Amino acid sequence: AAGVIQSPRHLIKEKRETATLKCYPIPRHDTVYWYQQGPGQDPQFLISFYEKMQSDKGSIPDRFSAQQFSDYHSELNMSSLELGDSALYFCASSPRSTGPGYGYTFGSGTRLTVV
Amino acid sequence: DAKTTQPNSMESNEEEPVHLPCNHSTISGTDYIHWYRQLPSQGPEYVIHGLTSNVNNRMASLAIAEDRKSSTLILHRATLRDAAVYYCILRDNAGGTSYGKLTFGQGTILTVHP
Repeated sequence: AAGVIQSPRHLIKEKRETATLKCYPIPRHDTVYWYQQGPGQDPQFLISFYEKMQSDKGSIPDRFSAQQFSDYHSELNMSSLELGDSALYFCASSPRSTGPGYGYTFGSGTRLTVV
Repeated sequence: DAKTTQPNSMESNEEEPVHLPCNHSTISGTDYIHWYRQLPSQGPEYVIHGLTSNVNNRMASLAIAEDRKSSTLILHRATLRDAAVYYCILRDNAGGTSYGKLTFGQGTILTVHP
């Protein structure tokens, strides 16, 4: 079965550079969620999109932006990178139309290292 | 978001049952109880969810208290591959801007001994 695809799997950037993370949801899943997980921490919700519109926003820094495209894939853009942005970034998708009684499917994540 | 409380860690022996508890005393009538687990360096994985009745699937069982203020995830025969962090999460069904968002709290680190 198709899963959530994230790219790249690993990314190394220098401070003050920019990074773009991509997420391809499961076909027919219309909702995408982004999470950040620092070392030894629990996943923290960043932002979500439903039908290409932002549906909820969490603790996402102003330096980060995201969008969902017409094919439902999503991109997380991160600028002016800081050492503290080093983390695992997960994307998840779900078919919102089926309601909250439905599990999310997470991707394998992108490991971002800022040096 | 309604809050859940789980033990920091639990241990089990291989092939024995494991009962992972979760308290959610402020749960609302519209909250679903979801369980996810996360293996090291992997994305969280959906395990099971329920609303009021006990649920079974190929991975686990979910026992929900009658007052819904607590629940227990049951792994019937633990294997080494079940060693992970288990998260109990309440998912809002009430609509609004927080619709569907999963908020991860501190989960339970399950160690399985051979």
